[in-house]
Amino acid sequence: GAGVSQTPSNKVTEKGKYVELRCDPISGHTALYWYRQSLGQGPEFLIYFQGTGAADDSGLPNDRFFAVRPEGSVSTLKIQRTERGDSAVYLCASSLGPGLGGETQYFGPGTRLLVL
Amino acid sequence: SQQGEEDPQALSIQEGENATMNCSYKTSINNLQWYRQNSGRGLVHLILIRSNEREKHSGRLRVTLDTSKKSSSLLITASRAADTASYFCACPHQGTYKYIFGTGTRLKVLA
Repeated sequence: GAGVSQTPSNKVTEKGKYVELRCDPISGHTALYWYRQSLGQGPEFLIYFQGTGAADDSGLPNDRFFAVRPEGSVSTLKIQRTERGDSAVYLCASSLGPGLGGETQYFGPGTRLLVL
Repeated sequence: SQQGEEDPQALSIQEGENATMNCSYKTSINNLQWYRQNSGRGLVHLILIRSNEREKHSGRLRVTLDTSKKSSSLLITASRAADTASYFCACPHQGTYKYIFGTGTRLKVLA
């Protein structure tokens, strides 16, 4: 398929463990976003990549959260020492990037993270 | 702080009726987008309206933007049961690429 894919679709982990969430954006999209969504809330911005660099990571809640995009395509969101409050759906989106017409974001199906 | 806030939080209508949702935002923007979400998973882009546009149409969707009031509305005409979903507006924060979503309007269309 040509859409944004995320793996795993569901992840259950124990408090204190480390998790990695993966996002495969649409081919050719230079911009990539990570969001977190709690039940009944809208998506909350975490980080935005333009190419390989994190252009805006102001939404990362603390230093337990880190994201990389080493080759400007696939991105991994890493959460260390998980806490129960990290439980949420983590959404990834990609877009063509800066420029007219490049703002539309295409979302993946999300990874539902449950920290026990 | 919320950039986009939708109103109402929930809306229940009969099939065939029109549904109107509103979004208010705080800072100046260059575009505003509306998204739909089914079953709490991935969002689907519906429509983007730029700050120099006042109205935009896409099929049964009509979006308006009033930059003087910092508000937008999404109208769905002749609603169908399949339109049942949550609808979100999203705006870039102060000229950045940090998009802020509202808490959404949960629309239920009864057959």
